[in-house]
Amino acid sequence: DAGITQSPRHKVTETGTPVTLRCHQTENHRYMYWYRQDPGHGLRLIHYSYGVKDTDKGEVSDGYSVSRSKTEDFLLTLESATSSQTSVYFCAAQGGHSYEQYFGPGTRLTVT
Amino acid sequence: KQEVTQIPAALSVPEGENLVLNCSFTDSAIYNLQWFRQDPGKGLTSLLLIQSSQREQTSGRLNASLDKSSGRSTLYIAASQPGDSATYLCAVRPVDNQGGKLIFGQGTELSVKP
Repeated sequence: DAGITQSPRHKVTETGTPVTLRCHQTENHRYMYWYRQDPGHGLRLIHYSYGVKDTDKGEVSDGYSVSRSKTEDFLLTLESATSSQTSVYFCAAQGGHSYEQYFGPGTRLTVT
Repeated sequence: KQEVTQIPAALSVPEGENLVLNCSFTDSAIYNLQWFRQDPGKGLTSLLLIQSSQREQTSGRLNASLDKSSGRSTLYIAASQPGDSATYLCAVRPVDNQGGKLIFGQGTELSVKP
């Protein structure tokens, strides 16, 4: 499972506050991803990283930013949380020559 | 634009039955297709990965096939057990995308009754 952990696992925050979610991997994988999962929409890519300090947008990147200062850590920041960002957030890493993706346990975020 | 569809959305079977889950995709230009399992409130567990040059992959009671030209994949589960109850997701990695992002189907929720 690429040793992927996410923190926090659950968070409740108020509209307008900044929130940072952390993803940590132990397998030195180059590619890392942030997805959100919502009923009726499935899993959608927010941002991804292809190396330290190298990131790019996914299909639902508005309102989100990311940073990767170390190979093992990939941070997702909601600059000013909105109720539409209530979701379950999954981090993933891509490993090996097969390009298989491995997922973390998820963070359930509620914006009130 | 690549779209992935999984039908049915939900399936209920008695224990011991063999079953097939379906996944279809609109663009055959893919690097690979991956099947995942998701238990309620949990993350995704990778089950099988099929490269575009392969026709099938097997792991224990699971067998996944890929027909790239017709845009279809199936996940076959033999001798189903209550512990197989979960949502099964398929995802494709398109050729024409940067960074290896996956395009997911909506999933099939499987319930295996004792």
